[in-house]
Amino acid sequence: DAGITQSPRHKVTETGTPVTLRCHQTENHRYMYWYRQDPGHGLRLIHYSYGVKDTDKGEVSDGYSVSRSKTEDFLLTLESATSSQTSVYFCAISESPQAGAYEQYFGPGTRLTVT
Amino acid sequence: QKEVEQNSGPLSVPEGAIASLNCTYSDRGSQSFFWYRQYSGKSPELIMSIYSNGDKEDGRFTAQLNKASQYVSLLIRDSQPSDSATYLCAVRTSGGFKTIFGAGTRLFVKA
Repeated sequence: DAGITQSPRHKVTETGTPVTLRCHQTENHRYMYWYRQDPGHGLRLIHYSYGVKDTDKGEVSDGYSVSRSKTEDFLLTLESATSSQTSVYFCAISESPQAGAYEQYFGPGTRLTVT
Repeated sequence: QKEVEQNSGPLSVPEGAIASLNCTYSDRGSQSFFWYRQYSGKSPELIMSIYSNGDKEDGRFTAQLNKASQYVSLLIRDSQPSDSATYLCAVRTSGGFKTIFGAGTRLFVKA
């Protein structure tokens, strides 16, 4: 497995509380991604990062923010959790699309329940 | 129209048979195509990538790409019960770093 860890692996939180999920990689890959996976929707991109302090939005970014202060860490924050954000969250990494390396490798996931 | 479409299944095949999984995509400029396997409760695992028209073989897996028809498929030969999983098709769209995932096809291999 690629050296990707996510924490926490499971979390239950209440509506309106902020939540931060962490992705940590040991592969020194430049690109990092946050996806959510819901039944019937597949994987949907929330935000991605193309370098330290360089981030951009994906297709379902509303209600989420990200930060990347180090190459190895990419944080996803739910500013005020809602029940619609109950999902499984996956972090992924890739080397550098500019170098022709488009394959993404996934972390183990975080199951988040918002009550 | 979804950007990447897969039949949700389930697709059921007997052990030892060939499983054929199909995927269509809408962005004609797409250049990179991937197949991931996802066991229940686990994360997606990359099994094949294909960039050029034609077939690409890796062990029991063969990916087939037809850009003119905007179609990519995955064949699994000598299917095993351990191949039972959801298979995700992913397509990197033109003009950026965005990769779009299909919702997946569930495969059951019966012993």
